Amino acid sequence: DTGVSQNPRHKITKRGQNVTFRCDPISEHNRLYWYRQTLGQGPEFLTYFQNEAQLEKSRLLSDRFSAERPKGSFSTLEIQRTEQGDSAMYLCASTGGRYNSPLHFGNGTRLTVT
Amino acid sequence: AQKITQTQPGMFVQEKEAVTLDCTYDTSDQSYGLFWYKQPSSGEMIFLIYQGSYDEQNATEGRYSLNFQKARKSANLVISASQLGDSAMYFCAMRGFQGGSEKLVFGKGTKLTVNP
Repeated sequence: DTGVSQNPRHKITKRGQNVTFRCDPISEHNRLYWYRQTLGQGPEFLTYFQNEAQLEKSRLLSDRFSAERPKGSFSTLEIQRTEQGDSAMYLCASTGGRYNSPLHFGNGTRLTVT
Repeated sequence: AQKITQTQPGMFVQEKEAVTLDCTYDTSDQSYGLFWYKQPSSGEMIFLIYQGSYDEQNATEGRYSLNFQKARKSANLVISASQLGDSAMYFCAMRGFQGGSEKLVFGKGTKLTVNP
């Protein structure tokens, strides 16, 4: 069990640029989540995959955000035309097994938009 | 929809003493789960303890226990014999099992500081 891996750990970009983050879940986990966390707040749900199917998206999620999970393995989160308000920690989590299994989180990608 | 409320932005406790972190929740689901996570300054989210809505016993995991009061919709985390390494942010979260949503909803967290 190597845990959930996220890359890069840090990303600094200029406003208007596109960025993409990658998440590698725990290998046997079929469910994958993306969350965003700003300073002093709890994680905020963005989207959820079961295998390769994106089953749930936050209504707050701008159409500049898109996520994929091809073949039900790793996932990518892309933010187009970044804005300063996108600066946050982006967390990926995975889980499997029973419905009440806890989420296992990666260490996150910290995005800074200048 | 689920909602979590953590009313204590910060808590202080002396080393070796017990501390209770408050969490209240709101949901229309009859079946749901409550989770507590710890987030040290390094940033990783660490799962601590789980309580199911139909579990008859309060959950315990080592020094962590959950004071679950279903009628009051509260799920307070109790940390016994606090250690300096317990200083961190603590998040209460819940997931409903009937509404079709798989998302885990988090509260705003409580920052715990353990003093020597």
